[in-house]
Amino acid sequence: GESVGLHLPTLSVQEGDNSIINCAYSNSASDYFIWYKQESGKGPQFIIDIRSNMDKRQGQRVTVLLNKTVKHLSLQIAATQPGDSAVYFCAENKGQGAQKLVFGQGTRLTINP
Amino acid sequence: ETGVTQTPRHLVMGMTNKKSLKCEQHLGHNAMYWYKQSAKKPLELMFVYNFKEQTENNSVPSRFSPECPNSSHLFLHLHTLQPEDSALYLCASSQVKGGNQPQHFGDGTRLSIL
Repeated sequence: GESVGLHLPTLSVQEGDNSIINCAYSNSASDYFIWYKQESGKGPQFIIDIRSNMDKRQGQRVTVLLNKTVKHLSLQIAATQPGDSAVYFCAENKGQGAQKLVFGQGTRLTINP
Repeated sequence: ETGVTQTPRHLVMGMTNKKSLKCEQHLGHNAMYWYKQSAKKPLELMFVYNFKEQTENNSVPSRFSPECPNSSHLFLHLHTLQPEDSALYLCASSQVKGGNQPQHFGDGTRLSIL
């Protein structure tokens, strides 16, 4: 499944499938981007980050892609599991020194058994 | 366990009450942050502290008063709040030295204003 940006806040995929969550950011000068996962009753949990001098970064089952030309960020989750069900937020850093993160509205990902 | 602890987890208060939210980080970070998370709205940055100095106040009403006595502790003092202030208040911390590092969040205080 694939979301098409912040105007589609929900995404459902079958367990085992890959999912892609998309995010558009606003500031071409932003130098750092980060993805968080938030489960019910908990605070946002860091998933993966990427600096503006990179266009791809991989973690365990997750990949972040950065397209600075169109100011677009995506999070790919491979082989989704029930525990991946959560709300996913992207954020861009607009600050220097201590961060000034600006968050997207989030995408709710549901993994169907 | 994220290394950032917030207390209390839940707080119900009247509009005339005074209360404080507490955040403590055990990660050795030197920057701390307060965020507000309302239903159907993105996380909103409220305050930023870098080495105990406030570097950002994101147009927050004066009924919210932050305090950062040291790099490990952050408070949010609340006074004469309004019903629209009901939200989840999240604290985060990060390491500023060595370039951008991810912020780590606590699990928040769920605040309800009667």
